[in-house]
Amino acid sequence: LAKTTQPISMDSYEGQEVNITCSHNNIATNDYITWYQQFPSQGPRFIIQGYKTKVTNEVASLFIPADRKSSTLSLPRVSLSDTAVYYCLVGHNNAGNMLTFGGGTRLMVKP
Amino acid sequence: DGGITQSPKYLFRKEGQNVTLSCEQNLNHDAMYWYRQDPGQGLRLIYYSQIVNDFQKGDIAEGYSVSREKKESFPLTVTSAQKNPTAFYLCASSIGTGNAEAFFGQGTRLTVV
Repeated sequence: LAKTTQPISMDSYEGQEVNITCSHNNIATNDYITWYQQFPSQGPRFIIQGYKTKVTNEVASLFIPADRKSSTLSLPRVSLSDTAVYYCLVGHNNAGNMLTFGGGTRLMVKP
Repeated sequence: DGGITQSPKYLFRKEGQNVTLSCEQNLNHDAMYWYRQDPGQGLRLIYYSQIVNDFQKGDIAEGYSVSREKKESFPLTVTSAQKNPTAFYLCASSIGTGNAEAFFGQGTRLTVV
């Protein structure tokens, strides 16, 4: 399984764009990159997933460079309600592959 | 509504007792997972199951047991062999493993006194 490395914590202010980078140097050819968001005392929630280049949905954008050894989750114009822990996962849909979470990035949005 | 349900939300047990946490899903998902989360920490995988009647140990399976007799159910038993069972337990399901989106329950907070 590809190991991921993320910053432990980040601070931001309301209205700013937040970029959280995840390193996954040993990502495999058929691995996808997935991000989840978790609020206190709740289960994580899927945010976005991508394989290469750029993916955008109504919540976030995901930027993946050509070598795929890292990825960046971009949250536009954050609000206080975006304060949460964000997890980066790398894996592929193959029998025997687990869904493994790392420590995540604790984002604090300040007024 | 389709979803994944964990019960109860809060659970208290005396030390030395076994306790079973319930996880039910009506999403028709093949894969189900159990995680443990300690305060300020990430999720650690206890057990996972890719199909009925089959399951595999995760990173911290010692002191826990599971069964997968039905597709929609994946109960977790915390046994007396688990040295530090007080934690937040999360159940999840997905269509498959790896890159498939996982759906989580609301969690069970277990306190052992």
